[in-house]
Amino acid sequence: QVQLVQSGAEVREPGASVKVSCKASGYTFTGHYMHWVRQAPGQGLEWMGWINPDSGGTNYAQKFQGWVTMTRDTSISTAYMELSRLRSDDTAVYYCARGHKLELLYWGQGTLVTVSS
Amino acid sequence: DIQMTQSPSSLSASVGDRVTITCRASQGISNYLAWFQQKPGKAPKTLIYAASVLQSGVPSKFSGSGSGTDFSLTISSLQPEDFATYYCQQYNTYPFTFGPGTKVDLK
Repeated sequence: QVQLVQSGAEVREPGASVKVSCKASGYTFTGHYMHWVRQAPGQGLEWMGWINPDSGGTNYAQKFQGWVTMTRDTSISTAYMELSRLRSDDTAVYYCARGHKLELLYWGQGTLVTVSS
Repeated sequence: DIQMTQSPSSLSASVGDRVTITCRASQGISNYLAWFQQKPGKAPKTLIYAASVLQSGVPSKFSGSGSGTDFSLTISSLQPEDFATYYCQQYNTYPFTFGPGTKVDLK
């Protein structure tokens, strides 16, 4: 069955970067886009972008362009989301989600990123 | 950006009730609409995509309908495990956007 297992919680100071991983199993990693979605504490869901694991091509929400980078390592079926120049309002749970293409069908368990000095 | 609205924002219901949540897009999105269920402290779970297609493993008590700008999610007979927050999301136009959520709790 499809499984997405994310890396553990992170704490960073403002201005730092964080890289979250999402290891996929149970399907052909290169066959489906991987999306990233975040959720601030007590708030709703915010789509950040996707990566095509086959080509490495990306599509970022304009809000995140210039400070998010999505990459992948096909040899270990893992997608990554790196966010730089962190601010306190980047404190959130970050989810990876696999689509057939653009749909979000399967979700990782989430990674809490806390930005605090 | 396309704005997604949901109504109601919250509702109280009893076990066995039929519940309908509506979602409206600020412009037409064809049928590129998904519904998610989220319980406290858990990741969202996909219920429906393409407005009416049930995700694998999701019970048939959930159903979705609509096209264009107006959509709905119906739970035919509410069970204790269905008390959660429900979100809609459009994936027709970038950036993909979510509704603010509808919290369903026990009356």
